[in-house]
Order: sequence, then structure tokens, then C-alpha cells
Amino acid sequence: EVQLVESGGGLVQPGRSLKLSCAASGFTFSNYYMAWVRQAPKKGLEWVATISTSGSRTYYPDSVKGRFTISRDNAKSSLYLQMNSLKSEDTATYYCARRGTGYVMDAWGQGASVTVSS
Amino acid sequence: EIVLTQSPTTMAASPGEKVTLTCRASSSVSYMHWYQQRSGTSPKLWIYETSKLASGVPNRFSGSGSGTSYSLTINSMETEDAATYYCQQGSSYPPMNTFGAGTKLELK
Repeated sequence: EVQLVESGGGLVQPGRSLKLSCAASGFTFSNYYMAWVRQAPKKGLEWVATISTSGSRTYYPDSVKGRFTISRDNAKSSLYLQMNSLKSEDTATYYCARRGTGYVMDAWGQGASVTVSS
Repeated sequence: EIVLTQSPTTMAASPGEKVTLTCRASSSVSYMHWYQQRSGTSPKLWIYETSKLASGVPNRFSGSGSGTSYSLTINSMETEDAATYYCQQGSSYPPMNTFGAGTKLELK
């Protein structure tokens, strides 16, 4: 069974940093692109970052480019999201997702809640 | 950048009723994926590559479309189908993923 378990969420002040982790199991992690998708309270889904199988290529929307960094450790089957210079508008539940062919997100974690507030 | 517009924003359907949700793309795309999100839970892949049902999805669901217009249809609404449905598309150039704003489907 595919499992994705996020951790590292919490309350953080504006301008500070936070790092999310995602532990993957039930599939060969190194064979898949991985992604982070967030959902602000009562809002829709927003793609945040994607990383290639080796980690050599990363992609971000303009809303987080230069502030967020996605990375992975294939030996540990783990995905990370380093979030710097956090803003109140970054408050959201952050989901780790496995990216299948055709850009589909075919497995999701339970989410990690991040609140940016003073 | 492709923009996905879902309609309606919210709707209510009675058990047994046929339901159609629409997703329109700002320019032509090759396929569409759909996700179901029940209240308080993570999104789940529901339909991929326009018309393929994800594992475990009841066959009362179907997907169709091409170009800029795609739809998700429920043949006969059931209680468990009440949820928010999001369409999604990805691209290589520029490399990004886009979600629609979602359609909230409620039980009447």
C-alpha cells in the first residue's frame, strides 16, 4: 500500500523558516517525480513544487519561487520542503503527492498544517 | 499559463439524479485529471487522462472531453458522492501544474 506521511508543520512567525518532511513507503520512491500541493483554509488546491526522480530538476510557481526549496533523499524514501521568508498567505495544509505519468498526482499524504502568524 | 475554470461553483443533487461538472481550459489541452476531496480529508485521484477511473472509483462516474472543455458525470448521485471535485492539468512548457477552483457537490 502506498503511504505518504507528512511531518514538520506548526505555527511560525512571518519571515521565519520551516521545513516539512514526507516519508514514503509502499512503492519504489526513486522511480517517481514527487510534488507538494497546498490548500489554504477554505480554499482550493495550489501546486507548490515538483522534483525529478534524481532531484536534479525542480519546478516552482512564481508564488513561492526563491523562497521554497524542494529536495529528496532517495536512500531514505523521503521528500522535503524548505520554506523560507514565510508570509501569512503561506498558511495552508501542505500535501505531499506522488506524481505519475501525465502530471497526475496519484497518491496523497494526509497533510501537514502550517500557520504563519505573529 | 493555462487557467482552468470549473462550473458550477456549488450545486446540490438528489439521490439518483444525474450530475455533470464542467472544467474549461483557457487554451487547448490534451487531457484532464479529476480529484475528489471529501470534507476534512486529503484529495484523491478520481479520474485520470480525461476518462480513466482511478482504482476503486464506482462506475457510475465517467469523464469526457477534449480541447478546452472537459466534464465529470455521475450517472446516479449517491450520498457518498457529496464532495468537492477539482480538475487539474500539467504542462512541460512552462513546467507547472494547474488546478481548477473546484465544484462543491452537496446532497439535496
